[in-house]
Amino acid sequence: DAGVTQSPTHLIKTRGQQVTLRCSPKSGHDTVSWYQQALGQGPQFIFQYYEEEERQRGNFPDRFSGHQFPNYSSELNVNALLLGDSALYLCASSPGLAVNEQFFGPGTRLTVL
Amino acid sequence: RKEVEQDPGPFNVPEGATVAFNCTYSNSASQSFFWYRQDCRKEPKLLMSVYSSGNEDGRFTAQLNRASQYISLLIRDSKLSDSATYLCVVPSGAGSYQLTFGKGTKLSVIP
Repeated sequence: DAGVTQSPTHLIKTRGQQVTLRCSPKSGHDTVSWYQQALGQGPQFIFQYYEEEERQRGNFPDRFSGHQFPNYSSELNVNALLLGDSALYLCASSPGLAVNEQFFGPGTRLTVL
Repeated sequence: RKEVEQDPGPFNVPEGATVAFNCTYSNSASQSFFWYRQDCRKEPKLLMSVYSSGNEDGRFTAQLNRASQYISLLIRDSKLSDSATYLCVVPSGAGSYQLTFGKGTKLSVIP
């Protein structure tokens, strides 16, 4: 049973560029949440997708957008990258909106130069 | 008060020691709480859930004090493999469907 998978593993971009990160949820899970973890900090909630709609959003600018596909996989898009966007981006999946069953993927490490 | 606040650490303890981490939270309406473990450059993994006054799982005990709005995690008989960052997590947002993480406390267990 595959867990949560994310791609790519690592990514290097320059300021002003755009990036797309991908996440496939654990089998049986239909909800995907995205988190940003800066070095030395805890993960910060970006947004959550359920039934192909953004259900909740954290305190992140509109440069951060997402999408969920019918197969429950999800994408995180970040436009006009800033140096401060360098972080580990984590995807977590769960069955429905159950926070007590959120499983995290290995993350995508984004470096913005 | 920050939403979730933890001891900054790091905690350096010898093998076999008992160590405790504290966490305070601001939302008095929170009903459930979690401790996650995160190894260096890895994803967070759920260690324990706390729904009532506490929870025990082997060497790990989590306690909840609703009146003071803090949660603690006690690790007895520390092992080298316990070295990690421990994250205190509280559901938040509308419907409490999102997780708010503390900054984490780094534990190093020394031989």
